[in-house]
Amino acid sequence: DAGVIQSPRHEVTEMGQEVTLRCKPISGHDYLFWYRQTMMRGLELLIYFNNNVPIDDSGMPEDRFSAKMPNASFSTLKIQPSEPRDSAVYFCASSPTGAAEAFFGQGTRLTVV
Amino acid sequence: GEDVEQSLFLSVREGDSSVINCTYTDSSSTYLYWYKQEPGAGLQLLTYIFSNMDMKQDQRLTVLLNKKDKHLSLRIADTQTGDSAIYFCAESNGYSGAGSYQLTFGKGTKLSVIP
Repeated sequence: DAGVIQSPRHEVTEMGQEVTLRCKPISGHDYLFWYRQTMMRGLELLIYFNNNVPIDDSGMPEDRFSAKMPNASFSTLKIQPSEPRDSAVYFCASSPTGAAEAFFGQGTRLTVV
Repeated sequence: GEDVEQSLFLSVREGDSSVINCTYTDSSSTYLYWYKQEPGAGLQLLTYIFSNMDMKQDQRLTVLLNKKDKHLSLRIADTQTGDSAIYFCAESNGYSGAGSYQLTFGKGTKLSVIP
């Protein structure tokens, strides 16, 4: 398996634009997590899914953020409209059912100017 | 809420042992993890330990858990320049009645290995 695949690796956008980050989890993993990493706040859990259903989105900072998982092999994190303070590295991770492990993608570095 | 604390920096000489420390506050933690993040890369799970264990060894890595003091450490024997990275401690309480299943991370310890 190629592991968790995220795209794009880097994204630079202007303030006010819509940004969509994509994730393909490891096949067979029933849990999918979206994290945000910044120097100030470290790694923060934004939302996680179980069997494509959002379970806990309490970490999503504002209504500008939304996440979907239309099927077991794809998830998106959308920011609309984007702001400079959204600049961070966004990680997707997946985990198999019943196991306490999470495998991370390489992240998307988002810069909002 | 849960909190995980780590020192931010550690420097060691190549060939020496590195010890990275972590403390956590959640007494219901079930699993404790160590992740490695190399520059420009995602997090890589190095090892994890169940809370009913006090030690786990995996090649050059030794994890020690003091559950009473809520203290976790990662020892890297014979540290190499390739071990230079940020190391994250994380905890999870696994499943709970509320369905919570998430990791709480420390801010990471940047390990610098001096040749």
